[in-house]
Amino acid sequence: EIVLTQSPGTLSLSPGERATLSCRASQSVSSSYLAWYQQKPGQAPRLLIYGASSRATGIPDRFSGSGSGTDFTLTISRLEPEDFAVYYCQQYGSSGTFGGGTKVEIK
Amino acid sequence: EVQLVESGGGLVQPGRSLRLSCTASGFTFGDYAMSWVRQAPGKGLEWVGFIRSKAYGGTTEYAASVKGRFTISRDDSKSIAYLQMNSLKTEDTAVYYCTRDPITMLHDYWGQGTLVTVSS
Repeated sequence: EIVLTQSPGTLSLSPGERATLSCRASQSVSSSYLAWYQQKPGQAPRLLIYGASSRATGIPDRFSGSGSGTDFTLTISRLEPEDFAVYYCQQYGSSGTFGGGTKVEIK
Repeated sequence: EVQLVESGGGLVQPGRSLRLSCTASGFTFGDYAMSWVRQAPGKGLEWVGFIRSKAYGGTTEYAASVKGRFTISRDDSKSIAYLQMNSLKTEDTAVYYCTRDPITMLHDYWGQGTLVTVSS
């Protein structure tokens, strides 16, 4: 089973700053089947990025994904107040495992 | 508008059974795989299992933690996916989400979730 490790666990930033979230896989993720989700308190997760770098429908272009193989990154170019949330990476090539999450909090 | 609505959650004793339903609308249900994902209180996300569309055989896959105890099925005529949970354990306590999967295990739409509490 592929294990996904997200870092950092918590990111403290101010609105307008750039956020860089990391997701490392224990083995190569096939066909870049790597997704990112955002979850706010009391809400269901929302798909942001799939295929490592494609934005889902309706996702603002301040969100971008990159990477391949075992190392992936989610970047939020300029944080808006609504972007403070928990972010999960997930590989959907086999067993659908999620990373442990990164909380982006207001500094 | 795509909508997924879960129902059937509640309090159940260890060892008992519970069936969750996911009623879909706003898309052609039969064209999509459907998954269940859970989240224990204060914890992260865990994929539970999925069912493929009939076009891909309608077959199922499960996480090791629930294999042999949980069963996913679907009724395309009613646009409903089910999660039958047997031999429930306290560690199955979680919010259970159903999702639409354009590719198996890629979850593009989520329901609001239903809470299952396993406790004596």
